[in-house]
Amino acid sequence: DGGITQSPKYLFRKEGQNVTLSCEQNLNHDAMYWYRQDPGQGLRLIYYSQIVNDFQKGDIAEGYSVSREKKESFPLTVTSAQKNPTAFYLCASSTAAAQQFFGPGTRLTVL
Amino acid sequence: KNQVEQSPQSLIILEGKNCTLQCNYTVSPFSNLRWYKQDTGRGPVSLTIMTFSENTKSNGRYTATLDADTKQSSLHITASQLSDSASYICVAGHAGNMLTFGGGTRLMVKP
Repeated sequence: DGGITQSPKYLFRKEGQNVTLSCEQNLNHDAMYWYRQDPGQGLRLIYYSQIVNDFQKGDIAEGYSVSREKKESFPLTVTSAQKNPTAFYLCASSTAAAQQFFGPGTRLTVL
Repeated sequence: KNQVEQSPQSLIILEGKNCTLQCNYTVSPFSNLRWYKQDTGRGPVSLTIMTFSENTKSNGRYTATLDADTKQSSLHITASQLSDSASYICVAGHAGNMLTFGGGTRLMVKP
């Protein structure tokens, strides 16, 4: 079953904790992306990676970090520096200049 | 500043009726215009993608139009079904496969 998987589906974080969201794809796509979605707003780009071992900041990278050690995996860490992390997080992947395919999302809630 | 505006924000229609969703975009340089369907708590799924040279594209009961001169797009849904209840997101693509997302139109189809 090909596609993009994200885990966990729901995640709860205490104040001051770092948490890591998983994103895996078996589509053999070079590019991967992380977006944040807040109610009533468009998706906003956090980080993206066009190739293994390389990534760039998006529009709202502060308080987040990523790694791209394998083509299939692009984990996102939400650090304690992110002051308002409660949101729906979406991972996507694509081939060059092609449509992006999205994962099912992770809903993060700060307690 | 790259921007995508959608209207209306929400819409309620009766099952079997048609509806049209609107999108205005300001993106430079413009590459393509996409429409996604997003069910609540799920990742967006691509409906159509049009380059600047295309005026219309259909996907079953969904028909998207694009006017690159006025920077407007619309999504027409024919003979609506209960399963069409979702958010519909207009997305403008630009250089480097970067995307600017609209805030979405939330559609509810009632029996």
